[in-house]
Amino acid sequence: EVQLVQSGAEVKKPGESLKISCQVSGYSFTTHWIGWVRQMPGKGLEWMGFIYPGDSDTKYSPSFQGQVTISADKSISTAYLQWSSLKASDTAMYYCARGSPHFDSWGQGTLVIVSS
Amino acid sequence: QSVLTQPPSVSAAPGQKVTISCSGSSSNIGNNYVSWYQQLPGTAPKLLIYDNNKRPSGIPDRFSGSKSGTSATLGITGLQTGDEADYYCGTWESSLRVFGGGTKLTVL
Repeated sequence: EVQLVQSGAEVKKPGESLKISCQVSGYSFTTHWIGWVRQMPGKGLEWMGFIYPGDSDTKYSPSFQGQVTISADKSISTAYLQWSSLKASDTAMYYCARGSPHFDSWGQGTLVIVSS
Repeated sequence: QSVLTQPPSVSAAPGQKVTISCSGSSSNIGNNYVSWYQQLPGTAPKLLIYDNNKRPSGIPDRFSGSKSGTSATLGITGLQTGDEADYYCGTWESSLRVFGGGTKLTVL
């Protein structure tokens, strides 16, 4: 069974850094793209970018290029989404999802709250 | 502003049929497959339809998808109260993924 398990909720202050994770199981991590999707409170889905763990090829939405970093560790079948300096506007639910061209399996989501 | 346009809301009575539209352009829907996702309240999205009209295993045939030109449509028949959710279309544009703004389905 394909599973994507995300790290737990985070409460951070503006300016702090953060790295959230998405550990997968039930399939070969290196042969499927893993994407990240943002959902701000009460809003729709926004595709942020994705990574192909096999060769670390990474693509970002123009809206998120330079704002976040997507990475992966093949040794532990885990993808990451990272911020170097959080803003209040980063408060949202973040989902990882497998696949391309369509996302066929999703993580449960990680809630990130950025507040002073 | 989403690249793909969906109506903000639709509603219908239990047992009835509803359709949700997703309008794009030749640079996205017109030249790529469309997928649809259901997001029940407080849960992660789930894939409903992929490659315009295919259903993953476990998705009932009450859900259907179609595409014509630069638009796609999700159809749901035999509406149930459990179908109340947000529905999103998705596709590609220039090797990047795009989603519609989402449609809230209310089953009256």
